[in-house]
Amino acid sequence: NAGVTQTPKFQVLKTGQSMTLQCAQDMNHNSMYWYRQDPGMGLRLIYYSASEGTTDKGEVPNGYNVSRLNKREFSLRLESAAPSQTSVYFCASSGGLAIDDEQFFGPGTRLTVL
Amino acid sequence: SQQGEEDPQALSIQEGENATMNCSYKTSINNLQWYRQNSGRGLVHLILIRSNEREKHSGRLRVTLDTSKKSSSLLITASRAADTASYFCATDEGSARQLTFGSGTQLTVLP
Repeated sequence: NAGVTQTPKFQVLKTGQSMTLQCAQDMNHNSMYWYRQDPGMGLRLIYYSASEGTTDKGEVPNGYNVSRLNKREFSLRLESAAPSQTSVYFCASSGGLAIDDEQFFGPGTRLTVL
Repeated sequence: SQQGEEDPQALSIQEGENATMNCSYKTSINNLQWYRQNSGRGLVHLILIRSNEREKHSGRLRVTLDTSKKSSSLLITASRAADTASYFCATDEGSARQLTFGSGTQLTVLP
């Protein structure tokens, strides 16, 4: 089991460029999440998908879109990157539909927007 | 908004000592979780405590929850150099399907 995988590991963009961060899990989990982590801070939820076919906004959704492609994959898209989106992005998944389910995290994508 | 806030922000101890980290939150919760993050890695779940529980143990970890004070503590006993990491508390926000993470405590265990 690979758990939660994310690609790419690192990315540098220029302001205004677009990109998609990919996330996949092989644990047959229902729920998936995208977080961002800024230096010295905890994680902030961008979007989540409680189950296949549904997505909902988290705390900081502006400037992002998501797609729950199937049960395994949940992608995060930046349509027009801004320097304020420089951050480390983590994808996570959890098995059930309860919020207190343990979340499993990917290794992260370090994004720099110049 | 950050629900959980950890204290201290940084903690440095010698191997073998105990490490205590605290988390405070603002609103009512159903449960509180603790996660660990090694440098440059994703978070790993350590332990969950529900609002009707006061104390929970897992190996060298002991978590307490005081809902009247809206606070929790994580105790790591007999610390090891491998325990060096950042530790985050995370709380749910009732009906919202979101975990809110604190800013973390950076623990350094010196060999």
